[in-house]
Amino acid sequence: GENVEQHPSTLSVQEGDSAVIKCTYSDSASNYFPWYKQELGKRPQLIIDIRSNVGEKKDQRIAVTLNKTAKHFSLHITETQPEDSAVYFCAASMGNFNKFYFGSGTKLNVKP
Amino acid sequence: DTAVSQTPKYLVTQMGNDKSIKCEQNLGHDTMYWYKQDSKKFLKIMFSYNNKELIINETVPNRFSPKSPDKAHLNLHINSLELGDSAVYFCASYSSNLVRGYTFGSGTRLTVV
Repeated sequence: GENVEQHPSTLSVQEGDSAVIKCTYSDSASNYFPWYKQELGKRPQLIIDIRSNVGEKKDQRIAVTLNKTAKHFSLHITETQPEDSAVYFCAASMGNFNKFYFGSGTKLNVKP
Repeated sequence: DTAVSQTPKYLVTQMGNDKSIKCEQNLGHDTMYWYKQDSKKFLKIMFSYNNKELIINETVPNRFSPKSPDKAHLNLHINSLELGDSAVYFCASYSSNLVRGYTFGSGTRLTVV
């Protein structure tokens, strides 16, 4: 099955700095890569996603890049704010009845 | 209007008991899931149902039995609860037509004492 690795496990940045979280996947058949944000005590929520036919996608301060050859994808958050503090999960999936394989999570702390 | 709702939100019970967690989605999605999130925050799939049919059954003890009475509901029954079952259980739904990420429920924090 698919194996998704995520780094770093914790990330601390100063408000206004950029944050980058990286994931690798093992199965070249994976074709959809969502990112989730989970605030303390809350449910994971989809923040951005990318399909394998696209190399980059941006939504305001959040961007995701995908390198299919190297089988890795990254989340970029610019101009970080304290409310960006949360655990972020990457995931990879393939097929119709999508089974999502999640990374182990990155705890992002944005210091004011 | 909550899209994916789970009940109860918190569940504290003794070892050996049997308990159920309910999940309902009003999004019209055709696929529903149960995920377990352990103390290290790792999200692991347990089961998936598509149109009431079981399609994914990961290596989960037989004490866990999902039931899907219809497309909008997926319940999780757990027999003979053990300390190691303590975790947050998330229900999620997905539409194979939309090809977007899951919508998660708010989670059920299960504590076995």
